[in-house]
Amino acid sequence: EAGVTQFPSHSVIEKGQTVTLRCDPISGHDNLYWYRRVMGKEIKFLLHFVKESKQDESGMPNNRFLAERTGGTYSTLKVQPAELEDSGVYFCASSQGLINSPLHFGNGTRLTVT
Amino acid sequence: AQSVTQLDSHVSVSEGTPVLLRCNYSSSYSPSLFWYVQHPNKGLQLLLKYTSAATLVKGINGFEAEFKKSETSFHLTKPSAHMSDAAEYFCVVTRPRTGGFKTIFGAGTRLFVKA
Repeated sequence: EAGVTQFPSHSVIEKGQTVTLRCDPISGHDNLYWYRRVMGKEIKFLLHFVKESKQDESGMPNNRFLAERTGGTYSTLKVQPAELEDSGVYFCASSQGLINSPLHFGNGTRLTVT
Repeated sequence: AQSVTQLDSHVSVSEGTPVLLRCNYSSSYSPSLFWYVQHPNKGLQLLLKYTSAATLVKGINGFEAEFKKSETSFHLTKPSAHMSDAAEYFCVVTRPRTGGFKTIFGAGTRLFVKA
């Protein structure tokens, strides 16, 4: 089966610009998650979709971040306007949604805001 | 409160020697526990998981972990390190919560393997 794919793999933007990250989960996985890792820090949860609905968005840092999953397939995460502290690696993961279901991760998008 | 602690931020071993990566958790519930590995510029990959069956769990690439409830530990081991094992390892806990469950990541342990 195809794994979780994310693009772009890298993005370098200037402060104030907009960036949109995309994640394609494994086909059939209703559960989709976004995580972020700032350099040297822990992996932090951002939000969780079940199909097209936001199940939990408690980890979203602020209203500059907008995640969507129209149609319950791929998801986008938009940062507008980007700030320096948004730099980091953004991971997407999908799962079958049971408590003991493993997460399947994409390779991440490395975002650098200059 | 639920938490997971990886006791070492870095571990360095020589090729062919045993690997021990330590993880302790706190939980009011019977947790589901996982170990993931991340190689450079790659996503996290599942090594193994514990879900209240056998306490000794075998994973991929020769890794295994033992769930010890009395010690609230889930340490990851491998008898003989390979150069290809050099990566970052994450201990992960999931616990139920209203409406679903919550996943908590440890801070990660970076494993260095010397020739």
